[in-house]
Amino acid sequence: NAGVTQTPKFQVLKTGQSMTLQCAQDMNHEYMSWYRQDPGMGLRLIHYSVGAGITDQGEVPNGYNVSRSTTEDFPLRLLSAAPSQTSVYFCASSYGGAGGVEQFFGPGTRLTVL
Amino acid sequence: AQSVTQPDIHITVSEGASLELRCNYSYGATPYLFWYVQSPGQGLQLLLKYFSGDTLVQGIKGFEAEFKRSQSSFNLRKPSVHWSDAAEYFCAVAQGSGTYKYIFGTGTRLKVLA
Repeated sequence: NAGVTQTPKFQVLKTGQSMTLQCAQDMNHEYMSWYRQDPGMGLRLIHYSVGAGITDQGEVPNGYNVSRSTTEDFPLRLLSAAPSQTSVYFCASSYGGAGGVEQFFGPGTRLTVL
Repeated sequence: AQSVTQPDIHITVSEGASLELRCNYSYGATPYLFWYVQSPGQGLQLLLKYFSGDTLVQGIKGFEAEFKRSQSSFNLRKPSVHWSDAAEYFCAVAQGSGTYKYIFGTGTRLKVLA
């Protein structure tokens, strides 16, 4: 099993450009989520999905879109990148959303917006 | 609102010394608590979790944590630190069973002196 994979590992964008961060998992997990990690702020939840076709907003959803057409994939879209979106992005998955369930994290995507 | 506080941003210990990382949470009901570790340039890995039962939980890599409801704390401990334990440590809380939202603390960066 590859676990949770993310592409690309690094990306530099100019303000106003769009892009999609890819996330895939091969563990048949129903729950997937996107976090951003900024210095001194820990991880903050952007969007999450409890299954194919079902998504919801987290703590910091503005500027990001998601969709979940398959169990395996959960892409994060930046429609018009802003410098404030410079961050490290982590995708995570778990087999359920219950509180005691471990999340498995991908290696992250480091995004810089100029 | 639920929150997680890690009061120590940086901690430095000598190799072989004991370690305690503090975590306090704010949540009305019984929380689901986690400790994750992040090595440089890597994703997060689960060290241990608590959601019921014995308040002293054992994790991987020789770590343990104790849930103290009266103090709203879930401190992470290790009796003897190894140089490879240098990393960033995150405490997280899930807002009860059946929830899909996890809240992370801001992290504690551990430095180990040889």
